[in-house]
Amino acid sequence: GAVVSQHPSRVICKSGTSVKIECRSLDFQATTMFWYRQFPKQSLMLMATSNEGSKATYEQGVEKDKFLINHASLTLSTLTVTSAHPEDSSFYICSAASPGGWGEAFFGQGTRLTVV
Amino acid sequence: DQQVKQNSPSLSVQEGRISILNCDYTNSMFDYFLWYKKYPAEGPTFLISISSIKDKNEDGRFTVFLNKSAKHLSLHIVPSQPGDSAVYFCAARRGTSYDKVIFGPGTSLSVIP
Repeated sequence: GAVVSQHPSRVICKSGTSVKIECRSLDFQATTMFWYRQFPKQSLMLMATSNEGSKATYEQGVEKDKFLINHASLTLSTLTVTSAHPEDSSFYICSAASPGGWGEAFFGQGTRLTVV
Repeated sequence: DQQVKQNSPSLSVQEGRISILNCDYTNSMFDYFLWYKKYPAEGPTFLISISSIKDKNEDGRFTVFLNKSAKHLSLHIVPSQPGDSAVYFCAARRGTSYDKVIFGPGTSLSVIP
């Protein structure tokens, strides 16, 4: 089946710095990718929809200037958390739409971000 | 406004018995529903899905039932195994896989040996 690889799996950064998380589709072209975040014992909350070659669509309440999304190629989308603060510590997960639009989206392994 | 609801935060079932996880949704535009299994610090794993044109879909030990008029779906796991212990998320979307998926809050299933 299709594979989505997310990197890094864990990252610790200092408050005020920026962190980039990569999401790659390994054996298919992903024109659309999604970014979610999950707080402990909570659901996966959609942050934004990333379309290749165009600006991402952010969900209400998500700061686009803080969470920069770039989808420059058909196999790579990146999420950059800028000027990170401890409250940004969370589990970030990406997914890629299955080719052809049918079936389920494919999820990455997730990235645990800890801001100290 | 929570569009996908899972009213049971947790469920305990004896090994070998049936696990029934329930899910309700409010958006009548949803036409594709999915169940995912998730462990802490991992991405969700797809289990089974159902289109709104069907009322049942079965895959091995997993069966999903959809009642459109009630805006309700359920996941049945028979027989339950200890390895099934995880958090189960009900999810829904409108349209194709290019459309966003909305997740419910999850139900933590514990299968007791």
